[in-house]
Amino acid sequence: KAGVTQTPRYLIKTRGQQVTLSCSPISGHRSVSWYQQTPGQGLQFLFEYFSETQRNKGNFPGRFSGRQFSNSRSEMNVSTLELGDSALYLCASSLAPTGGNEQFFGPGTRLTVL
Amino acid sequence: GENVEQHPSTLSVQEGDSAVIKCTYSDSASNYFPWYKQELGKGPQLIIDIRSNVGEKKDQRIAVTLNKTAKHFSLHITETQPEDSAVYFCAARPPGSNTGKLIFGQGTTLQVKP
Repeated sequence: KAGVTQTPRYLIKTRGQQVTLSCSPISGHRSVSWYQQTPGQGLQFLFEYFSETQRNKGNFPGRFSGRQFSNSRSEMNVSTLELGDSALYLCASSLAPTGGNEQFFGPGTRLTVL
Repeated sequence: GENVEQHPSTLSVQEGDSAVIKCTYSDSASNYFPWYKQELGKGPQLIIDIRSNVGEKKDQRIAVTLNKTAKHFSLHITETQPEDSAVYFCAARPPGSNTGKLIFGQGTTLQVKP
């Protein structure tokens, strides 16, 4: 079974631009979570989607948004990019968001903001 | 909210020795505790997890123990091999029946010397 796929793998943008990242979960998984990973802050939860609905949101500004499609694929968008948005963005999928369901991560999208 | 502390931040062992990484969590109602291994350029890989109704779980050379009273859990790797070298993250799932959100520790860089 194919794992979680994320596209693109690498992205370079300049301040003020916006970016869209894509995530395809493991087949049959309906829950997708997004995390931001930086050397200083570690892994931080961005948001979680299940059945096309945002179930949970982390402490990030409104510039960070996401959505989920009927086939469970998810996208996240960051508008008005700042230097501090440079990070590895990770997507994780699970069968459902209920407690105890294992989350499996994709390889991430490395975003560099210049 | 939930907070997870992880120690040590770096750990160096000789091949064949054991390695122990410890995490403490703040919310006594957290109910799920996974461990992830992240190699350079890859996303975190789930290696073992434990639920709050279990005290210990083993999978070959890897074991996790949970002490709910003290609110800490540990990863034990026996007979370490060079390929165990990676960054290890512990995580806790805060209470809430409809969330997959994970709170991560800051990570431990494990180096296994041949």
